[in-house]
Amino acid sequence: QVQLMESGPGLVQPSETLSLTCTVSGFSLTSYNVHWVRQPPGKGLEWMGVMWSGGSTDYNSALKSRLSISRDTSKNQVFLKMNSLQSEDTTTYYCARTGSSYYFDYWGQGVMVTVSS
Amino acid sequence: DIQMTQSPASLSASLGETVTIECRASEDIYNGLAWYQQKPGKSPQLLIYNANSLHTGVPSRFSGSGSGTQYSLKINSLQSEDVASYFCQQYYDYPPFGSGTKLEIK
Repeated sequence: QVQLMESGPGLVQPSETLSLTCTVSGFSLTSYNVHWVRQPPGKGLEWMGVMWSGGSTDYNSALKSRLSISRDTSKNQVFLKMNSLQSEDTTTYYCARTGSSYYFDYWGQGVMVTVSS
Repeated sequence: DIQMTQSPASLSASLGETVTIECRASEDIYNGLAWYQQKPGKSPQLLIYNANSLHTGVPSRFSGSGSGTQYSLKINSLQSEDVASYFCQQYYDYPPFGSGTKLEIK
């Protein structure tokens, strides 16, 4: 069955780099797109970026200068790296899947990241 | 960028009631709209895609409608398990999400 699971540190120091991993199962990264979406506590959803099935990426213009998404298809993993973290980056990070129609049909359970010294 | 205006921001309704949540796009999104339910502490779950198609396993009391720039999610016979936040998402362009509606039971 289709599953996505985020993993990464729960606590990151201000100005440091966040590294998250989305490990997927039940589908191929070369057939589906994997997005990163974040959500501050009690607030709405913010799309961050996408690893397209073909291997290219797109980013939210507001985050583009700090964000990098990559993948390892042999390990069924998609990676997020975001630098220069600040307190406003304290949020839950989700990875989610889309197919050829770009609605999110499966989501990971999310990983909460706190930026604090 | 396409802007999504979702209303209301919060909603309180009685069990058994019918509720409607709306999303308005700043331009035509050609039925490229999905609705999600997010229960507290959980990840969002797909309810409706292509404006009016019910996702597998979603109860039939949920329905979507609309076209062009105006879309709505209707929940018939409100149940206690429907307490959640609801988000619309357009997939004609990015960024995609509406601001959300928090639904509570009166």
